[in-house]
Amino acid sequence: DADVTQTPRNRITKTGKRIMLECSQTKGHDRMYWYRQDPGLGLQLIYYSFDVKDINKGEISDGYSVSRQAQAKFSLSLESAIPNQTALYFCATSDRTGGQAFFGQGTRLTVV
Amino acid sequence: KNQVEQSPQSLIILEGKNCTLQCNYTVSPFSNLRWYKQDTGRGPVSLTIMTFSENTKSNGRYTATLDADTKQSSLHITASQLSDSASYICVVSANSGYALNFGKGTSLLVTP
Repeated sequence: DADVTQTPRNRITKTGKRIMLECSQTKGHDRMYWYRQDPGLGLQLIYYSFDVKDINKGEISDGYSVSRQAQAKFSLSLESAIPNQTALYFCATSDRTGGQAFFGQGTRLTVV
Repeated sequence: KNQVEQSPQSLIILEGKNCTLQCNYTVSPFSNLRWYKQDTGRGPVSLTIMTFSENTKSNGRYTATLDADTKQSSLHITASQLSDSASYICVVSANSGYALNFGKGTSLLVTP
């Protein structure tokens, strides 16, 4: 089983719909992150969480929200999806030293 | 603001040739630097980690160097293979803040 699991792997949704991307990890890490990646661009941080009760905005949080339901679970929501949110989304975890990040396999989201 | 700059943005080399990718950073206080390999559509995977006291570290055909004084790192790939075609991302961790600072990556294409 993968250390960091994202669901769904692929999703096509319509403009205006609410969608949730889920991430779970078995690494036992405190820190979890959500990134988006657009073609030809680097990873951009959306939100991050250092603990269950800790939520922090990243570089591009507008239009997104997150929930840290447990140490192992961190979900990303798009309240009202728009086409420019079409991208590849990655969840990642790291330990308290902020060292190696372990990434999920990604969720390819298409908003039509 | 912590920044990580990578060059070149993209690179095309012939199979069997060597290449060097560059990473300059302003992250402070510095904790460690990692190089990740990201295959198309997949999550990044760690190749090497460098701490402040390390100058060189190898992982097979990959050799990373770090000059903490000038805040520069390089990733040297020897005898390139077609499977080396990927994006290579430099990630610098700080001892404070959200800790993971990503470069935008270098896209490497190895051709026959």
